[in-house]
Amino acid sequence: DAMVIQNPRYQVTQFGKPVTLSCSQTLNHNVMYWYQQKSSQAPKLLFHYYDKDFNNEADTPDNFQSRRPNTSFCFLDIRSPGLGDAAMYLCATSRETPPSYEQYFGPGTRLTVT
Amino acid sequence: GNSVTQMEGPVTLSEEAFLTINCTYTATGYPSLFWYVQYPGEGLQLLLKATKADDKGSNKGFEATYRKETTSFHLEKGSVQVSDSAVYFCALTLNTGFQKLVFGTGTRLLVSP
Repeated sequence: DAMVIQNPRYQVTQFGKPVTLSCSQTLNHNVMYWYQQKSSQAPKLLFHYYDKDFNNEADTPDNFQSRRPNTSFCFLDIRSPGLGDAAMYLCATSRETPPSYEQYFGPGTRLTVT
Repeated sequence: GNSVTQMEGPVTLSEEAFLTINCTYTATGYPSLFWYVQYPGEGLQLLLKATKADDKGSNKGFEATYRKETTSFHLEKGSVQVSDSAVYFCALTLNTGFQKLVFGTGTRLLVSP
């Protein structure tokens, strides 16, 4: 089945130690998104790629970076994680930008910062 | 600006009860509307959608009708099951140019046997 895959499902990192989360998709969608979701809150968009074009949200901290080496893979890099970065990180894809697009979400990676 | 307002939870129901989760929106254009569901420890799954006024989205016994006159997209199900326990997010996106999904704050549903 075509799907969005995130690895690992659970990640523990130390305060200030760089960490990378990965996302892959078999849907061949040209848009990929990264969201941060804290407990009992709605997902918050960090950035998205339309093909190779990177689009950062204005309020995304510089600590967060992303790479998309090819259509199938996208990475979220947190350069110096703080305690406030502990959250669920969700990857999503869509075929193209609106109108009437749907986003397909992966299962998420829960990040713990110690 | 564009925003989505959902009723606060948790909503606690007994199995086979009728469910309504209210959702209203504010949008500068003509949005598409979505309901996503998040089961514990999982990502979001699209439950249903509607792309224009008076459209009805439906899936797995859930329904929602796009009401332009009341700017609403309330989620309903006639008979809930324990397995429906999850967090439900109402969301919108505009149909012109790139606009990110705008989510409501989510409503937790708890269904007891």
